[in-house]
Amino acid sequence: EVQLVESGGGLVQPGGSLRLSCAASGFIFSSYAMSWVRQAPGKGLEWVSTISGSGGGTYYADSVKGRFTTSRDNSKHALYLQMNSLRAEDTAAYYCATVSTSGYLFDQWGQGTLVTVSS
Amino acid sequence: EIVLTQSPGTLSLSPGERATLSCRASQSVSGSYLAWYQQKPGQAPRLLIYGASNTATGIPDRFSGSGSGTDFTLTIRRLEPEDFAVYYCQQYGNSPLTFGGGTKVEIK
Repeated sequence: EVQLVESGGGLVQPGGSLRLSCAASGFIFSSYAMSWVRQAPGKGLEWVSTISGSGGGTYYADSVKGRFTTSRDNSKHALYLQMNSLRAEDTAAYYCATVSTSGYLFDQWGQGTLVTVSS
Repeated sequence: EIVLTQSPGTLSLSPGERATLSCRASQSVSGSYLAWYQQKPGQAPRLLIYGASNTATGIPDRFSGSGSGTDFTLTIRRLEPEDFAVYYCQQYGNSPLTFGGGTKVEIK
């Protein structure tokens, strides 16, 4: 059974940093691209970033480019999101998700971790 | 960037009724790379449909998708109590990946 468990969310001041983690199990982690998708409170879904299975390719939404960095450690079955220069508009639940083999859609999701950016 | 507009914003129906949700793209979605997700309060989204009309693993056959180009539809043939939720479309044919704003299906 695929399991994705996010951690690392919390309250941070504007301009601060936070690192999210996603622990994966139940599938061959290195074979799958992974993504981060966020959802502001009461709002819709927004794609944030995708990383290839090897970690050699990373892609970002314009809204986070230059501030967020996605990485992975395939030996630890772990996905990370380093978030710097955080803004109030980054407040959201952050989900990690597997990228389907049928294209850049998301077929398994974690339960999410909440990031609140506020002074 | 492809903008996806979902309508209606809210759909009020009774169990057993048919639900028809629309997702319209600002430009053609290449390859009909359009997915649908269901999200219940406090839960992560769940993939329902991919490639506009392919049902994801474990999804009941009362859910179906159709469409191509700029117009896509999710149909729920007979609403079950567990189907009342928010539904999102997502296109993955063009970068950046984008989602629609969602349609809430609520109990009438």
